[in-house]
Amino acid sequence: QQQVKQSPQSLIVQKGGIPIINCAYENTAFDYFPWYQQFPGKGPALLIAIRPDVSEKKEGRFTISFNKSAKQFSLHIMDSQPGDSATYFCAASRAAALIFGKGTTLSVSS
Amino acid sequence: KAGVTQTPRYLIKTRGQQVTLSCSPISGHRSVSWYQQTPGQGLQFLFEYFSETQRNKGNFPGRFSGRQFSNSRSEMNVSTLELGDSALYLCASSLDSVNTEAFFGQGTRLTVV
Repeated sequence: QQQVKQSPQSLIVQKGGIPIINCAYENTAFDYFPWYQQFPGKGPALLIAIRPDVSEKKEGRFTISFNKSAKQFSLHIMDSQPGDSATYFCAASRAAALIFGKGTTLSVSS
Repeated sequence: KAGVTQTPRYLIKTRGQQVTLSCSPISGHRSVSWYQQTPGQGLQFLFEYFSETQRNKGNFPGRFSGRQFSNSRSEMNVSTLELGDSALYLCASSLDSVNTEAFFGQGTRLTVV
């Protein structure tokens, strides 16, 4: 049973565009929702995270929107750059066990 | 501040053998978690240790085990290796065991032949 569903699987945007990656979760016990960025040959790097008592969080060019009633959250990347080309994972957790989505491969063309 | 260090970076083992992977967490972090990453299944949680005790365990067979030492360093062991165990094994460290930021190492790439 996949507890965190992520879409789209891949995404191509032009430089300066705003890619949006969506995730939905099933378990209402989850109380921490991070996003990770992974480059080939590297481990995932924490980008930004949110807790369910907040509807939006911004850090630099990255924004998480969170809809608790719909059990959905999304990542927006403002003014995307070619260097943002990577795989992005959403996750949900309770008690330190991260449950990951399947990942979104983002390609930002110049 | 040094990040999470995993050794070795690459391993090639034969079916039936066993393997031990090592993880040194960020200084001061007491929680260490292990994940398996494969193209088909993605990132899957194996187990989490805090203060030398396994606190959480994912849905993996008993061939996968781990331990944590008093200095928070952790090892994971896979016995009787199968071809399907070929994966990137990732270690993540956190300050404690309750939903704090988790920082990943670069992983150990295990290939079973």
